[in-house]
Amino acid sequence: EVQLVESGGGLVQPGGSLRLSCVASGFTFSSFWMSWVRQAPGKGLEWVANIKQDGTEKYYVDSVKGRFTISRDNANNLLYLQMNSLRAEDTAVYYCARDKDEGPTLLKYWGQGTPVTVSS
Amino acid sequence: DIQMTQSPSSLSASVGDRVTITCRASQSISTYLNWYQQKPGKAPKLLIYAASSLQSGVPSRFSGSGSGTDFTLTISSLQPEDFATYYCQQSSRTPLTFGGGTKVEIK
Repeated sequence: EVQLVESGGGLVQPGGSLRLSCVASGFTFSSFWMSWVRQAPGKGLEWVANIKQDGTEKYYVDSVKGRFTISRDNANNLLYLQMNSLRAEDTAVYYCARDKDEGPTLLKYWGQGTPVTVSS
Repeated sequence: DIQMTQSPSSLSASVGDRVTITCRASQSISTYLNWYQQKPGKAPKLLIYAASSLQSGVPSRFSGSGSGTDFTLTISSLQPEDFATYYCQQSSRTPLTFGGGTKVEIK
């Protein structure tokens, strides 16, 4: 059974940093792209970033470029999102999702999400 | 960026009704279009991929169609468990973008 479990969310002040983690199980982690998707309170879904199987390609939504960094540890089936210079508008539930192995993006499996609140 | 516009943003329907949700892309995305269902407090669930392919385990009352810029998600006979919010998502190019969502409520 595929499982994705996020952690690391919490309350942080504007300008602060936070690192989210996602541990994967039930599939060959190193064979799939992985994505982060967020959802602000009462709002829709927003894709944040994804990363290729070997970490050599990374893509971001414009609003987080230069502030967020996606990375992965294939040896330990871990996905990360390092979030710096956090803003109030980054407040959201952050989901990790298993992306494609090849071809177009397909977010077939999702974690339960970890909430991030940016507030003073 | 490719903008995805869903309509309506919400609808009220009864059990047994046929429901159609529309998604329009700001430029052609071929059939690189996925549909997700999300219930309150839960993660999204993939329903349809590549515009019309039903994800394994999803009831056959769900169907998708379209190509280019115009797409539809149809629920042929609405069931109580289908009351949720539905999102389209384009996978043609990054940044991947979602529609604003359609909330399906009980009439």
